[in-house]
Amino acid sequence: AQTVTQSQPEMSVQEAETVTLSCTYDTSESDYYLFWYKQPPSRQMILVIRQEAYKQQNATENRFSVNFQKAAKSFSLKISDSQLGDAAMYFCAYRIISGTYKYIFGTGTRLKVLA
Amino acid sequence: DSGVTQTPKHLITATGQRVTLRCSPRSGDLSVYWYQQSLDQGLQFLIQYYNGEERAKGNILERFSAQQFPDLHSELNLSSLELGDSALYFCASSALGGPTYEQYFGPGTRLTVT
Repeated sequence: AQTVTQSQPEMSVQEAETVTLSCTYDTSESDYYLFWYKQPPSRQMILVIRQEAYKQQNATENRFSVNFQKAAKSFSLKISDSQLGDAAMYFCAYRIISGTYKYIFGTGTRLKVLA
Repeated sequence: DSGVTQTPKHLITATGQRVTLRCSPRSGDLSVYWYQQSLDQGLQFLIQYYNGEERAKGNILERFSAQQFPDLHSELNLSSLELGDSALYFCASSALGGPTYEQYFGPGTRLTVT
């Protein structure tokens, strides 16, 4: 069965510094998508970044980038130049692209940004 | 704005009651997903519909049911409510096929059972 593990329940980072959030997953599929979602205090779920498993190049969106290690089944999120507005819960998610097309979410990492 | 709408935004009701949560997916999206998020918890997948048919089921209680209508909106029915059902209920939609496969989430319905 597919699972997604976020081993860091909480992380802290100083404003303007860089932080990396970890995510590992377990799957026997070769083709899938991975996502990071952000949930600020408003509780709205916001897509941060996506990665296609068939692409070797790591996805980047402005200050957000991923380190995708397919063989290790690892998908970490790096936030550079952290800002107070980055404080949120971050969820890693995996999507099957066959069968049910279900999404599987990790348990989340709460990121605190210190001024 | 994700394009996914959910009503109502807030709902307060008593134990034993029944409520209906409504979701309209993004234009063109055929797939709808329902999630439950209790306070400071992760997302619990409840159920998925695709073009009116149930596609996948998660940890959905027998007291809960859902459906997707021909116009693609979906409703989640919660009955015999208990205090533990208090949570944020999210609806999300996606295109089943590509090109990007991400889910778009609605703002959620906050249910409080007293």
